[in-house]
Amino acid sequence: DAGITQSPRHKVTETGTPVTLRCHQTENHRYMYWYRQDPGHGLRLIHYSYGVKDTDKGEVSDGYSVSRSKTEDFLLTLESATSSQTSVYFCAISPGREAFHYEQYFGPGTRLTVT
Amino acid sequence: SQELEQSPQSLIVQEGKNLTINCTSSKTLYGLYWYKQKYGEGLIFLMMLQKGGEEKSHEKITAKLDEKKQQSSLHITASQPSHAGIYLCGADRGAQKLVFGQGTRLTINP
Repeated sequence: DAGITQSPRHKVTETGTPVTLRCHQTENHRYMYWYRQDPGHGLRLIHYSYGVKDTDKGEVSDGYSVSRSKTEDFLLTLESATSSQTSVYFCAISPGREAFHYEQYFGPGTRLTVT
Repeated sequence: SQELEQSPQSLIVQEGKNLTINCTSSKTLYGLYWYKQKYGEGLIFLMMLQKGGEEKSHEKITAKLDEKKQQSSLHITASQPSHAGIYLCGADRGAQKLVFGQGTRLTINP
């Protein structure tokens, strides 16, 4: 299994509060991703990173920000959580095309409930 | 409509039977990935297909890519309870990004 951990694994928070989810990898992979998974929508990309301090938006980036100050850590922040952000969040990593490995490896997920 | 459509959305088969899951893209396929997700867990990478006509197998799971049809199929032979879960296909959309289908929920009955 790829060395990916997510923390916390479960979180309940109130509307309007800031929330930060952490993804940590031990594989030294260049690419890191944040997805959310919702019934009826499948997996959707929120943000991704192609290197330290290099990030870009995915298809559902509104209300989310990310930071990557070290290769191993990718943080997802909900500035002011809303009930529509209740979801399961997955982090993924990939070595990238430069390494001729294109597949992504996923973490165990974080279940976030916003009340 | 989804960029990647999986069919069926759910499937119930008896243990030992064969089954096929399809993934159809509305855009040209340059790379197709299959994942399995156990309930409440993360996704496990199964295999990747890149070339038209390519076929890969892992244990009793075989995946094929038909570029002309913009479609991939996942076939399980002699299904077992361990095959139960959600199968998702993902397509390479450039810039090292994937787009995913909604998934097929597979139940294996004894």
